[in-house]
Amino acid sequence: EAGVTQSPTHLIKTRGQQATLRCSPISGHTSVYWYQQALGLGLQFLLWYDEGEERNRGNFPPRFSGRQFPNYSSELNVNALELEDSALYLCASSSQTGWNQPQHFGDGTRLSIL
Amino acid sequence: SQQGEEDPQALSIQEGENATMNCSYKTSINNLQWYRQNSGRGLVHLILIRSNEREKHSGRLRVTLDTSKKSSSLLITASRAADTASYFCATEGDNYGQNFVFGPGTRLSVLP
Repeated sequence: EAGVTQSPTHLIKTRGQQATLRCSPISGHTSVYWYQQALGLGLQFLLWYDEGEERNRGNFPPRFSGRQFPNYSSELNVNALELEDSALYLCASSSQTGWNQPQHFGDGTRLSIL
Repeated sequence: SQQGEEDPQALSIQEGENATMNCSYKTSINNLQWYRQNSGRGLVHLILIRSNEREKHSGRLRVTLDTSKKSSSLLITASRAADTASYFCATEGDNYGQNFVFGPGTRLSVLP
């Protein structure tokens, strides 16, 4: 069984640009979660998608957005990039919606803002 | 607000010793989960313990949950160098069941 895959592995952008990060969940998983992990810090919840709908978002500005496609893959978009957006962005998937299931993580996209 | 918070922030032990990490949280929960993260990698799920459970085992891992004290502990017995990683507890956030909160983690170093 293939795990959660994220692309690209690394992404370098400059301030003001836009970044698109992609995530493919484990086959059969319908829920996708996005997290931001700044260097040396814990994970901050960004977005939760299930069955193509945004179920909840964390305390992030609107320039962080995303979507989930019919095949359950997901995309995270960050507009008007700022230096503090530099972080590891992790995607996770679970087989059922809600918090009662373990989340399976990809290895992340390292976003660096110059 | 920080829902899950691990203690200590960093722990260094010798191979073969036991490692204990603690997690405190603020609001009522349905369950609490522990994850491991190797440097620069994604998180790996270790154990999920439900609010009506007090203890759970998985191999060399033992997790306890005390809902009256709003705390959990993760014990790794007979540690190995490969256990070197950061360990996170995770719970629902303040927006019950709708927001997922990970603590800042405990950085465990197991020295050979």
